[in-house]
Amino acid sequence: DAKTTQPPSMDCAEGRAANLPCNHSTISGNEYVYWYRQIHSQGPQYIIHGLKNNETNEMASLIITEDRKSSTLILPHATLRDTAVYYCIVRVSYSGSARQLTFGSGTQLTVLP
Amino acid sequence: AAGVIQSPRHLIKEKRETATLKCYPIPRHDTVYWYQQGPGQDPQFLISFYEKMQSDKGSIPDRFSAQQFSDYHSELNMSSLELGDSALYFCASSTGPFTGELFFGEGSRLTVL
Repeated sequence: DAKTTQPPSMDCAEGRAANLPCNHSTISGNEYVYWYRQIHSQGPQYIIHGLKNNETNEMASLIITEDRKSSTLILPHATLRDTAVYYCIVRVSYSGSARQLTFGSGTQLTVLP
Repeated sequence: AAGVIQSPRHLIKEKRETATLKCYPIPRHDTVYWYQQGPGQDPQFLISFYEKMQSDKGSIPDRFSAQQFSDYHSELNMSSLELGDSALYFCASSTGPFTGELFFGEGSRLTVL
């Protein structure tokens, strides 16, 4: 699976949009981009995933560049409860086995009041 | 909605003892993953199961073993415990091996004294 690079930390004001970047320049055509977050010592929580098109759900939006070498997770109106470590993960799907998700260093997002 | 259930939530053991962690996946989920997260570290993949068969294997020590039972619950057995085994152990489940959308439990915290 391709490696990802994320900034170690970011701050965001409460109520503003949080834009979390991720570089995955070695991504392959059959690899999806997944985003998870982990609130302190809780189990990681799935947020969203995509292949090449932009995706949106009730939690966030995922913008993937046309060359697929980077993506941005957008939390449209950040709240204090969004303070967490956000992980960008690239993973092959439909590989025929329960392939692991590899958690890298992630971005510590701190939402400030 | 039902979530992934892990037990026990907290466990204290002495060095060289044995511990068993249990994971009950979400109903109708047939795939289970185990992760270990040491203090200040990111979750590390240990092992996964699909339809009661081992599917993928990560950095699981030889002292550890795991299996998935006919009701899809899974157990992680850890023997000859070492101080370095002190960690949060997360179990996750999914609807089949192809999706990267995993649902994590709240974890079992193992402390080895």
